[in-house]
Amino acid sequence: KQEVTQIPAALSVPEGENLVLNCSFTDSAIYNLQWFRQDPGKGLTSLLLIQSSQREQTSGRLNASLDKSSGRSTLYIAASQPGDSATYLCAVRRDLSGGYNKLIFGAGTRLAVHP
Amino acid sequence: EAQVTQNPRYLITVTGKKLTVTCSQNMNHEYMSWYRQDPGLGLRQIYYSMNVEVTDKGDVPEGYKVSRKEKRNFPLILESPSPNQTSLYFCASRGDNEQFFGPGTRLTVL
Repeated sequence: KQEVTQIPAALSVPEGENLVLNCSFTDSAIYNLQWFRQDPGKGLTSLLLIQSSQREQTSGRLNASLDKSSGRSTLYIAASQPGDSATYLCAVRRDLSGGYNKLIFGAGTRLAVHP
Repeated sequence: EAQVTQNPRYLITVTGKKLTVTCSQNMNHEYMSWYRQDPGLGLRQIYYSMNVEVTDKGDVPEGYKVSRKEKRNFPLILESPSPNQTSLYFCASRGDNEQFFGPGTRLTVL
């Protein structure tokens, strides 16, 4: 059974710091991995999607890496800003042989960036 | 603009009073799904649909129904809501790879 874990559960940093959020998954048979951002009481916004054959994806100040064999992904945020404060969720989509259609989510990392 | 919409955004109701949460997407996606989000439990899938008239249970389907009569719409039906269905609900649709989420519906059942 696929389980997704995110560490740390919460993080508070001063503005300008570079930071890393971690996501681990127990079954390496994944189709892709997606990072989302969720603001309080709001929906999920997709940040980055990494296919199982890829090692990383970048968008602006965000960089996500994937090491499928070790069951890990990291989300790197450069030069953090107060506007980055949100909960960040990692989700894996299983491959064709193992429950193709479901996204399995981690519990999230709640990030606070203070001025 | 590509989007998933849900209505209502907020709903307070009483035990046993049937309700429907609508979901619509304008991206011509075949795959749609419903999730609920609860503190400490994260997001859990309720039902999903591969296409029109094709639906299947997710992880927590008890107490819910869905229908998929048109490609763009995927309503979530609570025939007899109970307090343990108080939650934040999200509808999602997916193309080839990326999943898009609606803004959420906060439901309180008294």
